[in-house]
Amino acid sequence: EAAVTQSPRNKVTVTGGNVTLSCRQTNSHNYMYWYRQDTGHGLRLIHYSYGAGNLQIGDVPDGYKATRTTQEDFFLLLELASPSQTSLYFCASSEGQGWEQYFGPGTRLTVL
Amino acid sequence: GDSVTQTEGPVTVSESESLIINCTYSATSIAYPNLFWYVRYPGEGLQLLLKVITAGQKGSSRGFEATYNKETTSFHLQKASVQESDSAVYYCALGASSGSWQLIFGSGTQLTVMP
Repeated sequence: EAAVTQSPRNKVTVTGGNVTLSCRQTNSHNYMYWYRQDTGHGLRLIHYSYGAGNLQIGDVPDGYKATRTTQEDFFLLLELASPSQTSLYFCASSEGQGWEQYFGPGTRLTVL
Repeated sequence: GDSVTQTEGPVTVSESESLIINCTYSATSIAYPNLFWYVRYPGEGLQLLLKVITAGQKGSSRGFEATYNKETTSFHLQKASVQESDSAVYYCALGASSGSWQLIFGSGTQLTVMP
């Protein structure tokens, strides 16, 4: 069974705060993704990676950094959080391009 | 550009009623689109419900069906008789079989099934 875990599940921070969201997959997948989900929008891709040390920019990268430290671990960094980054964040992994993605349970981030 | 449009929610139906959630897509840069339906149950991540990679084919899972119609660029999700446990958010998504890494998602449709 494919497995993607995220931590924390919920996070509250203040404007200007520093936040790191963590994602781990045990699927041995090369591709990992970070999305945000906002009401009225589909999932929007922030960053993705196709292997340790690799990082690619998605559709809505402003205000976010990401780092892929190992094949299993992918982190999303908000160095100066803003209220506009209040959202539900999903991590996902996939074996290849354009195919089925396996998702984590999500992290709800609130920036006050 | 490439995009997905689906029924805006929330949608509320009674148990044992039929359901259709509309999904249309635009795949201007994808020669052979793959189409997906994902579902997100409360407190969980998205999981694949069904996928179809060939135009004209039908996918089915857990009583849900969707047919990939290239002529109408549609991939509507249907179920003949819903159950309370089907309450969830449903996402239509578009992908490519090669040359593109991205899945393009619709905005999601919140479904509530009343007992």
